[in-house]
Amino acid sequence: GAVVSQHPSRVICKSGTSVKIECRSLDFQATTMFWYRQFPKQSLMLMATSNEGSKATYEQGVEKDKFLINHASLTLSTLTVTSAHPEDSSFYICSASVPGVIGLEQFFGPGTRLTVL
Amino acid sequence: KQEVTQIPAALSVPEGENLVLNCSFTDSAIYNLQWFRQDPGKGLTSLLLIQSSQREQTSGRLNASLDKSSGRSTLYIAASQPGDSATYLCAVTGGGADGLTFGKGTHLIIQP
Repeated sequence: GAVVSQHPSRVICKSGTSVKIECRSLDFQATTMFWYRQFPKQSLMLMATSNEGSKATYEQGVEKDKFLINHASLTLSTLTVTSAHPEDSSFYICSASVPGVIGLEQFFGPGTRLTVL
Repeated sequence: KQEVTQIPAALSVPEGENLVLNCSFTDSAIYNLQWFRQDPGKGLTSLLLIQSSQREQTSGRLNASLDKSSGRSTLYIAASQPGDSATYLCAVTGGGADGLTFGKGTHLIIQP
């Protein structure tokens, strides 16, 4: 159980375009999902916390108008990178906590590799 | 602001050895600590979770300990195998609704 999927796994786009990444909890409902970013040879950095039915909470330094997060249902959160630029090229990965699981362990999706040309 | 440090940054050992990976965190007010494994270009695999009230957790050849008051955790890998080669990440969270703060990881290579 506790499977999280992401789509697409890899995307290449031109500078200035927008890219949407989906994060789904397949076998549980997630009221809270998290979005992280990982640059090459760096660790994961929390970007934002996605709450179902309410606005996302962004970490300091993350532009909310550039990284649009929508958590419209208990199984789906989306991250849209608007007007992407080469510096946005990164590995984006989401996670979800499983309600009722002791310790609130987070389970991660397989990640999305974004390359902006 | 929570900071997580992992030592060593890289480690290469022969197959069969027992090894210890270290993790330290600056704010002891954590909710839980998780150890993950990340293979190159891949997502994260959760290995062990230790709640703040616990001292250790075990899964197979893996044992993780937590000393919350001193801000330290160790991951012990027994009888290492080439398949254990990966980057191991330590992460903590301050609350159930909070995201994780990650260390930079230990890149582990097990030589056949």
